[in-house]
Amino acid sequence: DAMVIQNPRYQVTQFGKPVTLSCSQTLNHNVMYWYQQKSSQAPKLLFHYYDKDFNNEADTPDNFQSRRPNTSFCFLDIRSPGLGDAAMYLCATSRLTGEQFFGPGTRLTVL
Amino acid sequence: DQQVKQNSPSLSVQEGRISILNCDYTNSMFDYFLWYKKYPAEGPTFLISISSIKDKNEDGRFTVFLNKSAKHLSLHIVPSQPGDSAVYFCAASPSGNTGKLIFGQGTTLQVKP
Repeated sequence: DAMVIQNPRYQVTQFGKPVTLSCSQTLNHNVMYWYQQKSSQAPKLLFHYYDKDFNNEADTPDNFQSRRPNTSFCFLDIRSPGLGDAAMYLCATSRLTGEQFFGPGTRLTVL
Repeated sequence: DQQVKQNSPSLSVQEGRISILNCDYTNSMFDYFLWYKKYPAEGPTFLISISSIKDKNEDGRFTVFLNKSAKHLSLHIVPSQPGDSAVYFCAASPSGNTGKLIFGQGTTLQVKP
């Protein structure tokens, strides 16, 4: 089945210790997105790629970076996680327009 | 400033009855609206969408209504089933934008047998 896969599902890191979350897709979609969702809040778009074109949201902290080495993979790097970065991180893909397809998310805990 | 709002954090409905989930938006440039359903420990799953040129879209038990003048949309589920119990997110896309979505906070629907 075509899908969006996120690894790991649960990630625990220490305050200030860099962490990388990964996302892969078998849908061959052009666009990949990273969202942050905190408890009982709306998913918040951090950035997205249209093919290799990177689009950062204006209010995404510099602490968050992303890489898309090829169509299938996208990574979220948090350079120095703070306690406030604990959240669910959702990866999604889409064609140029239309609905987005989400992965199951990675739950990040910062100790 | 939240551009997409779901003012009811939760809704409880009896099995077989209608569930109505509401969503308000503030940006008149939104031209595409979607509803997603999310079960615990899973990512959101696309449910139904509507373009701003329509006022209604139906797919089986799910119907989305759009009232552009009121900047309001609603999702009707008829009849509601226990398996519909989940968090429902409303999302909106600005015109001319490549798929970017603005989400509401979600409404937790509980359908009681």
